[in-house]
Amino acid sequence: EVQLVESGGGVVRPGGSLRLSCAASGFTFDDYGMNWVRQAPGKGLEWVSGINWNGATTGYADSVKGRFTISRDNAKNSLYLQMNSLRAEDTALYHCARASDYDSSTYYSGWGQGTLVTVSS
Amino acid sequence: EIVLTQSPGTLSLSPGERATLSCRASQSVSSSSLAWYQHKPGQAPRLLIYDASTRATGIPDRFSGSGSGTDFTLTISRLEPEDFAVYYCQQYGSSPRTFGQGTKLEIK
Repeated sequence: EVQLVESGGGVVRPGGSLRLSCAASGFTFDDYGMNWVRQAPGKGLEWVSGINWNGATTGYADSVKGRFTISRDNAKNSLYLQMNSLRAEDTALYHCARASDYDSSTYYSGWGQGTLVTVSS
Repeated sequence: EIVLTQSPGTLSLSPGERATLSCRASQSVSSSSLAWYQHKPGQAPRLLIYDASTRATGIPDRFSGSGSGTDFTLTISRLEPEDFAVYYCQQYGSSPRTFGQGTKLEIK
């Protein structure tokens, strides 16, 4: 069974930084692309960033490009999201999501419950 | 960017009834690259349908997807109590991948 457990969320001031982590189990991690998807309070789902199986290809939503960096450590079965220059509009529940194959640009066949990021002064 | 518009915003039905949810794209979704997800509060979203009409592993056959181009539909043939949730469509045929704003299916 696919298990994805996010951590690292919290309260941070505008302009601050956070690093989110996602621990994966129940599948061969380096066979799959991975993504971060967020949900702001009272809003729908928004794709944030994706990375292919070996980390060679990454993508970002325009709203986070230049501020967020996605990475992975296949030896540790872990996905990361480094978030810098945080803004109030980045406040959301951040989900880790597994792609359906080695690329990240497909549908998401497994999700975590999310970690909450609150950007507030 | 492809904008997905879901309708209705809220659907009020009773268990045993049929639910029809719509997802309309601002431009054609290539290769019917459209998925549907179910999301309950405090839980991880769950993949229901991919490639517009293929049920994901373990999804009951009361869930079905159809459509192509710009118009897609998720149908739940007979609602069970556990089906009341928010449903999202997502296109993955072009970048960036985008989601609809969701349809809340609530008990009448």
